[in-house]
Amino acid sequence: SAVISQKPSRDICQRGTSLTIQCQVDSQVTMMFWYRQQPGQSLTLIATANQGSEATYESGFVIDKFPISRPNLTFSTLTVSNMSPEDSSIYLCSVKPREDTQYFGPGTRLTVL
Amino acid sequence: GQQVMQIPQYQHVQEGEDFTTYCNSSTTLSNIQWYKQRPGGHPVFLIQLVKSGEVKKQKRLTFQFGEAKKNSSLHITATQTTDVGTYFCAAQGSANAGGTSYGKLTFGQGTILTVHP
Repeated sequence: SAVISQKPSRDICQRGTSLTIQCQVDSQVTMMFWYRQQPGQSLTLIATANQGSEATYESGFVIDKFPISRPNLTFSTLTVSNMSPEDSSIYLCSVKPREDTQYFGPGTRLTVL
Repeated sequence: GQQVMQIPQYQHVQEGEDFTTYCNSSTTLSNIQWYKQRPGGHPVFLIQLVKSGEVKKQKRLTFQFGEAKKNSSLHITATQTTDVGTYFCAAQGSANAGGTSYGKLTFGQGTILTVHP
């Protein structure tokens, strides 16, 4: 199994500011993803974090709003830029260490005032 | 894009009763995963189904993948209060569909299960 940690676990931010979320995995994984779960909703994929190249974003998500870094196979960051209250969500890092399994981090609970 | 419909949205049961949640897709799925999310927690991987008609069991949980690989179900026998949470199905992108879709999950809306003791 893969153990995933995220920092911060939660934060309250003012609109217009930016927050960077860190995801650390205890083993090297090729496939790493960032998801968003809005209050009371299901999970939506934001992007695939690619090591050594630009992230691959899903429809509705853009790099200027959600820049992602993936400097190595155990670490990634997601920045939520120029935040608005609509960005209040749980942001989750996920990895796929093997074909038949996938793991999620504990999530970062973001509240934007 | 790929869509996965999950029903029911909510299910309230008495402890000891059975529970089933269903997922349906209009397109053939390469595989489907099931997750459980406890209140305040993160999704925890339960199982992945790959083969047409596949049935897998984990103690009181039975997972099925339809023959056409367009639907799936999770059945819990004799629910316990520890089963409380939201159960999600998630369809995974196929490696054959192109490298950028592999590993991507499209989640159903989830079924919130409450169990009354």
